Amino acid sequence: DGGITQSPKYLFRKEGQNVTLSCEQNLNHDAMYWYRQDPGQGLRLIYYSQIVNDFQKGDIAEGYSVSREKKESFPLTVTSAQKNPTAFYLCASSIRSGSPDTQYFGPGTRLTVL
Amino acid sequence: GQQVMQIPQYQHVQEGEDFTTYCNSSTTLSNIQWYKQRPGGHPVFLIQLVKSGEVKKQKRLTFQFGEAKKNSSLHITATQTTDVGTYFCAVMPTGGFKTIFGAGTRLFVKA
Repeated sequence: DGGITQSPKYLFRKEGQNVTLSCEQNLNHDAMYWYRQDPGQGLRLIYYSQIVNDFQKGDIAEGYSVSREKKESFPLTVTSAQKNPTAFYLCASSIRSGSPDTQYFGPGTRLTVL
Repeated sequence: GQQVMQIPQYQHVQEGEDFTTYCNSSTTLSNIQWYKQRPGGHPVFLIQLVKSGEVKKQKRLTFQFGEAKKNSSLHITATQTTDVGTYFCAVMPTGGFKTIFGAGTRLFVKA
C-alpha cells in the first residue's frame, strides 16, 4: 500500500551468503524503516533513516547493513553474521522521522535461509 | 526504557461477539497509532490518537486514549470474519523520537 514496493516477495538463500532486500518508495517520504517480524511476533526495528545519506541502528541491527543513497531507496543487506536470518522483513516509510506520522508498509519479503 | 505491553496476546471469539485489545505504556505518550495486519499481509494504518481521553470511531471499531495518555484500547463490536488478523499499537513517548510497536493481539473469529 501507499507506493512502497519490496522485492522479491519470497527469497531463499544458503547459509553463509549475504542477501540484499530491496525497498523503494515513491511517496517522497524522508524517513524509511526496516523491521523484522518472526512468526506470531511483533515488529522489531532493524535500521531507520531520517534523510538521504543518514541512517541509525534500531534495536536489532547486528548482522544487518543498510544504505540510503537515494531518497526513494533503502536496501537492507542480511549478512552471514546474522545468526538467525529466516524471518519476514518489512520496509516502511513516513513523511519524516521523530514525529507522529503514519508509517506506510511495503508488502514484505519472506527470507528463508537453508 | 520504554515498555509497551499489549494484551491479550491472542483472542478467540465467535462471530458476532465483541473484542477488545489494550495497549499500556510505562511512560506518558505523545500519541498512539493502531495498525491491522491480515494473515500473510503487512500492517496497515487504522488511526492515530493524540489528545488525552480522545475517542474515535470507525464503523464497528472504537479507539480510546486514556486520560493519563499511558494506555489505549481498541474495541470491535459484533466481530466479523473480516476482522481476523493482528492488531498492533504503536506509540511515541513524549519527547521521544522513535515509534515503538507493541507485540500485537491476534484475533481469531469463528463463523
